[in-house]
Amino acid sequence: TQLLEQSPQFLSIQEGENLTVYCNSSSVFSSLQWYRQEPGEGPVLLVTVVTGGEVKKLKRLTFQFGDARKDSSLHITAAQPGDTGLYLCAGDSRYSSASKIIFGSGTRLSIRP
Amino acid sequence: DTGVSQDPRHKITKRGQNVTFRCDPISEHNRLYWYRQTLGQGPEFLTYFQNEAQLEKSRLLSDRFSAERPKGSFSTLEIQRTEQGDSAMYLCASSFSGQGTGELFFGEGSRLTVL
Repeated sequence: TQLLEQSPQFLSIQEGENLTVYCNSSSVFSSLQWYRQEPGEGPVLLVTVVTGGEVKKLKRLTFQFGDARKDSSLHITAAQPGDTGLYLCAGDSRYSSASKIIFGSGTRLSIRP
Repeated sequence: DTGVSQDPRHKITKRGQNVTFRCDPISEHNRLYWYRQTLGQGPEFLTYFQNEAQLEKSRLLSDRFSAERPKGSFSTLEIQRTEQGDSAMYLCASSFSGQGTGELFFGEGSRLTVL
């Protein structure tokens, strides 16, 4: 069974602070995706990382894929209240016989003004 | 095409009743996924289709759950003899396998409440 563990589960910080969210697994994934979900809506894709060690930046968000393709991190610089939401990592298990995308348990982020 | 649509958005039913959810994916997408999500948790994989073929079904899914995608376009998820533990948000997502990395586009979900 492939599991994706996210930490922390909850994070509440002040506007302007930096934060890092982690996504870890014992399994190798062909790609790792990060989504953000607002209440009452479906998750929306933020980024996909494919190559081990890859780093992608999206404005104040920096995503990194581990060298071994088993883990990923999301770093937010100078967090803003608009960053509040549920952040989900998702792994594409293309290496297995049946390709499917599984999600981590999520990190609920709250940014206080 | 405005994206993935799901119907109904909300369903309240009594325990023991059957319910059916429909998902219309983005038209050019050949893959369709169903997930279940409870409050504060990440989506839990239920099943997925490539075209009309159901390629995988979660072992966590009981026989009360069935999904179809008869013509490789829309899909239905039926839950028979609902139980209170079935209360959750049921999310549908679609993707195009030719893209290589399987990005999912989600609908807004169907929220089920079993009384």
